[in-house]
Amino acid sequence: GIQVEQSPPDLILQEGANSTLRCNFSDSVNNLQWFHQNPWGQLINLFYIPSGTKQNGRLSATTVATERYSLLYISSSQTTDSGVYFCAVDTGNQFYFGTGTSLTVIP
Amino acid sequence: KAGVTQTPRYLIKTRGQQVTLSCSPISGHRSVSWYQQTPGQGLQFLFEYFSETQRNKGNFPGRFSGRQFSNSRSEMNVSTLELGDSALYLCASSPRPGYTQYFGPGTRLTVL
Repeated sequence: GIQVEQSPPDLILQEGANSTLRCNFSDSVNNLQWFHQNPWGQLINLFYIPSGTKQNGRLSATTVATERYSLLYISSSQTTDSGVYFCAVDTGNQFYFGTGTSLTVIP
Repeated sequence: KAGVTQTPRYLIKTRGQQVTLSCSPISGHRSVSWYQQTPGQGLQFLFEYFSETQRNKGNFPGRFSGRQFSNSRSEMNVSTLELGDSALYLCASSPRPGYTQYFGPGTRLTVL
């Protein structure tokens, strides 16, 4: 099956800092989503982004499908941004989640 | 619109028992997918249902099964529970396959 790798695995930021999370995938995909999992386990949909760039407030994402990667940008981080960020790809047959990036934002 | 709901939220079973988990999708959504999340294996795809038909299936043994009803609600069943089945089981719905998925809060299953 397809390999989905995320980096870095862990990230600690001071409140107000910016960060970039990366998702690499090993084969062509139909679409890609970014999720934030809060400490209670709820997966919250951030972006549906098979290609191109999207922005939503302090968050933005870019997917370069031809080069098989996607980036999630978090600007002016807040403590509420803490949690695990996952990318997930849809091959048409299955959904594959990445390994996740655990983000901790300290005040 | 109400979000995806899952029942029960917490469940404790013993080895050898079976369990049924329920998922109600967002109104109007006809695709439901199930995932298992464990610390060791991460998030893994179990199966996807669309219009009462299983569309795709992940690499899980036959003890894991599911179904979807005409109102798009879905259930998954795990028979002959093993300790390794302890996990957070997540359900996601979308209008149809390939569209944005929205996740429920999950059912945390503990097998003793």
